Amino acid sequence: DAKTTQPNSMESNEEEPVHLPCNHSTISGTDYIHWYRQLPSQGPEYVIHGLTSNVNNRMASLAIAEDRKSSTLILHRATLRDAAVYYCILSTPNTGNQFYFGTGTSLTVIP
Amino acid sequence: DADVTQTPRNRITKTGKRIMLECSQTKGHDRMYWYRQDPGLGLRLIYYSFDVKDINKGEISDGYSVSRQAQAKFSLSLESAIPNQTALYFCATRGGGGPNTEAFFGQGTRLTVV
Repeated sequence: DAKTTQPNSMESNEEEPVHLPCNHSTISGTDYIHWYRQLPSQGPEYVIHGLTSNVNNRMASLAIAEDRKSSTLILHRATLRDAAVYYCILSTPNTGNQFYFGTGTSLTVIP
Repeated sequence: DADVTQTPRNRITKTGKRIMLECSQTKGHDRMYWYRQDPGLGLRLIYYSFDVKDINKGEISDGYSVSRQAQAKFSLSLESAIPNQTALYFCATRGGGGPNTEAFFGQGTRLTVV
């Protein structure tokens, strides 16, 4: 399985940017990097994904290292609604495209 | 309406009973998945299906079976429920564009086996 490593927990002050790191040193050239988040008592929801280039959408930005062995999810201004568990996942074509979840990073946003 | 709907949302059942969890999706996707989540852990894949004639085991399929009744419907069954199958179960769907596609998850079914 393609593995990722994330810190168990992080804290951020409301209205400040948050940088959530992820290491994926065994990534292969065809693996996409996906980020999902899970709010309390809900199913995971898509945040962003990318292959090589940095990506931006209305929710967040994804910064991918040049060697692709790490990436960072950036929430530009954390709100209380961003408190969730964030999962960094590699999507691998050779394994039927299913996701393998780790334990993620639990983000606490402090008012 | 939600893209992915799971029923029931909560269920308590007794050890040894057969139970079915249902999932339907309106995304028109071919790929559907069943995951299990235990407290404090990430999701683990139980079964997945790429179309109505294609069923595949995931990493923790023992004690479970699935049925893909139609493109939009994917059911998970516990033939004889046991207490360590108490968990939160999620259904997901994904388009056929390979690893460059996002997944859509249901709201989950909380199953308790007593």
